[in-house]
Amino acid sequence: IQMTQSPSSLSASVGDRVTISCRAGQDVSNYLAWYQQKPGKAPKLLISFTSNLQSGVPSRFSGSGSGTDFTLTISSLQPEDVATYYCQNYDSALLAFGGGTKVEIK
Amino acid sequence: EVQLVQSGAEVKKPGESLKISCQVSGYRFPKYWIAWVRQLPGKGLEWMGIIYLDDSDTKYTPPFQGQVLISADKSIRTTYLQWGSLKASDTAMYYCAKLTYFDITGQSAASPFDTWGQGTMVTVSS
Repeated sequence: IQMTQSPSSLSASVGDRVTISCRAGQDVSNYLAWYQQKPGKAPKLLISFTSNLQSGVPSRFSGSGSGTDFTLTISSLQPEDVATYYCQNYDSALLAFGGGTKVEIK
Repeated sequence: EVQLVQSGAEVKKPGESLKISCQVSGYRFPKYWIAWVRQLPGKGLEWMGIIYLDDSDTKYTPPFQGQVLISADKSIRTTYLQWGSLKASDTAMYYCAKLTYFDITGQSAASPFDTWGQGTMVTVSS
């Protein structure tokens, strides 16, 4: 299953609302996760099952969607959110990552 | 707290062999899967393969089938990623990550990669 993220990078101001899209090549139901990878660090699971925030993840992060189209939203961008974000489907034995979206501060 | 601790950075020459490791702590029973993920310099995440720690059931993704060997030692909660003959193109950061559920037949959904190791940088250069 191919996962396509857009945009590949974005630059926004502190406090802006940021939206990242992820499209699956076929229906993955709600088996969609989002990961955050800060520069020089390992990825970290942010959201599972499309919209389920992991413990400790700030509430400004949210996920939505179903089937083939998904969205990660940061409601108010903070400096510590500078990272690359990856989506991943896990609806079968084909666990594919999207290409990533690099988020920077303007 | 579950932790995945990976072995340290490696610098190797083309043609040499290498085995890196990932040890899980803080999880009592070996009933989980460990995936290996490659990240080429400046690039995204690529899932290489996966192993079930309890019985070493293993699956490789097509690009990595025959290129690497994934193994495990349940007694010390450790999984390994191994190369027989390294190439310069193997230069990358390698991560291990834990999953609770994975159906090797593909008939059921898996679970996300809930815990990650810190990464092992492998540099292959003459």
